[in-house]
Amino acid sequence: DVKVTQSSRYLVKRTGEKVFLECVQDMDHENMFWYRQDPGLGLRLIYFSYDVKMKEKGDIPEGYSVSREKKERFSLILESASTNQTSMYLCASRSSGTYEQYFGPGTRLTVT
Amino acid sequence: GESVGLHLPTLSVQEGDNSIINCAYSNSASDYFIWYKQESGKGPQFIIDIRSNMDKRQGQRVTVLLNKTVKHLSLQIAATQPGDSAVYFCAEARTGNTPLVFGKGTRLSVIA
Repeated sequence: DVKVTQSSRYLVKRTGEKVFLECVQDMDHENMFWYRQDPGLGLRLIYFSYDVKMKEKGDIPEGYSVSREKKERFSLILESASTNQTSMYLCASRSSGTYEQYFGPGTRLTVT
Repeated sequence: GESVGLHLPTLSVQEGDNSIINCAYSNSASDYFIWYKQESGKGPQFIIDIRSNMDKRQGQRVTVLLNKTVKHLSLQIAATQPGDSAVYFCAEARTGNTPLVFGKGTRLSVIA
């Protein structure tokens, strides 16, 4: 089975802190994605990556950056956390040429 | 603008009844559709998919119907069970290696 893991299930950070959210997949997938999920807004795409060291902006990249130094790992970085970044963050991966995305369990981030 | 949306944000059904969750899409170029189920505290999980060259696909207790004329997608769950209680998302895949676009979700509540 495909497994996508995220480094933390729950995280509490202070405004202005730098935050790292880590995602690892074990199926050698080329594509990886970061979404945030908010009530009534569904899943919104922040960034995605088609390959190592490649990144593409999604619909809401402002305030975020990403890093993909290894194929299995995709990191989301909040350079200076703000309260409006309090959300559920979901990572996903998929193989090139396919459509199905496999999701991790999510990280619920609270910025105070 | 182009979007994937849902007609009903919440749906309550009696245990044993059939459930129907609807979704509208606006991009006629979309060639693949997926339904995801998200239980509380978990990431979305794949339920069933359908390609644009089909109008119906059946799985175990679930059926997806695609009406390309009116750009409408539905998920039917037969004999709904308490374990079906979750938020259901439709997602569409547009041409090329692009991320899935998700609807806002419908919460299904099963009344025992």
